[in-house]
Amino acid sequence: DAGVTQSPTHLIKTRGQQVTLRCSPISGHKSVSWYQQVLGQGPQFIFQYYEKEERGRGNFPDRFSARQFPNYSSELNVNALLLGDSALYLCASSLTGDQPQHFGDGTRLSIL
Amino acid sequence: DQQVKQNSPSLSVQEGRISILNCDYTNSMFDYFLWYKKYPAEGPTFLISISSIKDKNEDGRFTVFLNKSAKHLSLHIVPSQPGDSAVYFCAFNGGATNKLIFGTGTLLAVQP
Repeated sequence: DAGVTQSPTHLIKTRGQQVTLRCSPISGHKSVSWYQQVLGQGPQFIFQYYEKEERGRGNFPDRFSARQFPNYSSELNVNALLLGDSALYLCASSLTGDQPQHFGDGTRLSIL
Repeated sequence: DQQVKQNSPSLSVQEGRISILNCDYTNSMFDYFLWYKKYPAEGPTFLISISSIKDKNEDGRFTVFLNKSAKHLSLHIVPSQPGDSAVYFCAFNGGATNKLIFGTGTLLAVQP
């Protein structure tokens, strides 16, 4: 069975640009969450979606947005990129938003 | 404010011996506790969990202990194997949104 898949695996952008990251959850999972992991820290919660509705949002600026599609896949968008946005972005899925959440391998975003 | 602390950034153990990883938290509202393992270039992998109504949960070589009065969570791995070498994160269920709040991680190295 396929796990959580994320694309792309690596991305290089420059300051001020916009980026879209994609996530496909485990088949049957209806909830997707996004996390940001910077070097030396644990993942930080950004968003959770369930049945296409935003269920929770972490302490991130409005430059970060996300959505979930009818097939339960999700996109994370970040506008006006800053150097500090350089991080590993992780997507996790679960059946209904409960635990445990299962993670993809992430997208490594580098901002120059 | 850091709600979750893993005070040991690294731990080195001999193969066959016990590995003990520790985690302290401040928020008594947490009701579900998890451990994740992370290899380089991969996403976190769920390992084991425990709810707040229990004080111990076992799964093979892995045992998680919860001391609610001390707000302390620990993971015991016995016997430790070289393949256990990874970064271990404790994580807590953060309220109605089911977001995960992670510690900063402990790098475990199991020496052959």
